[in-house]
Amino acid sequence: GAGVSQTPSNKVTEKGKYVELRCDPISGHTALYWYRQSLGQGPEFLIYFQGTGAADDSGLPNDRFFAVRPEGSVSTLKIQRTERGDSAVYLCASSQSGSRNEQFFGPGTRLTVL
Amino acid sequence: DAKTTQPPSMDCAEGRAANLPCNHSTISGNEYVYWYRQIHSQGPQYIIHGLKNNETNEMASLIITEDRKSSTLILPHATLRDTAVYYCIVRVGGDMRFGAGTRLTVKP
Repeated sequence: GAGVSQTPSNKVTEKGKYVELRCDPISGHTALYWYRQSLGQGPEFLIYFQGTGAADDSGLPNDRFFAVRPEGSVSTLKIQRTERGDSAVYLCASSQSGSRNEQFFGPGTRLTVL
Repeated sequence: DAKTTQPPSMDCAEGRAANLPCNHSTISGNEYVYWYRQIHSQGPQYIIHGLKNNETNEMASLIITEDRKSSTLILPHATLRDTAVYYCIVRVGGDMRFGAGTRLTVKP
């Protein structure tokens, strides 16, 4: 069956620009997570949705980062006024209801800010 | 969530068992131990999880010490495709906090 998909797979932008990264979770998964991963490091938690609401956004680094999930399925991570330090792979994961269920990860979006 | 400590790298011969250790001495009673792995340029992949009993599935076995302060992931017959970074995570639920993991290299 279809797994978690993320688009685009690669995004190159210029410093100061706005970007949107999309995540399509596995159908029926109510929980959705965003992580980012810098080279040589493990994924870093950003935000977690249960349904339409953000259950935990404590990992968002600052107010330039925002994520939505308006219908409880697709999610969009939005980054305003991008900085070179935002360059990373942004990973999305989803899981069935029940917070201890395994998370299924997408392939990630590689963001490069020039 | 409790912090975990893993060796940065390990080697294993193809066909032999790979034993990956993890220390989680501050684990609390309701935290589970999860293992994920990440093959180059892919998203992390779930392997196994447990609370206090040993667990086995088609991919691996998880051995948790009686005091739950450490665990070992066992890949019984490592193949070249098992070369990856392996992450040990303890969590109650919700998000996961990854460390740097162990880079396992399976050699022919």
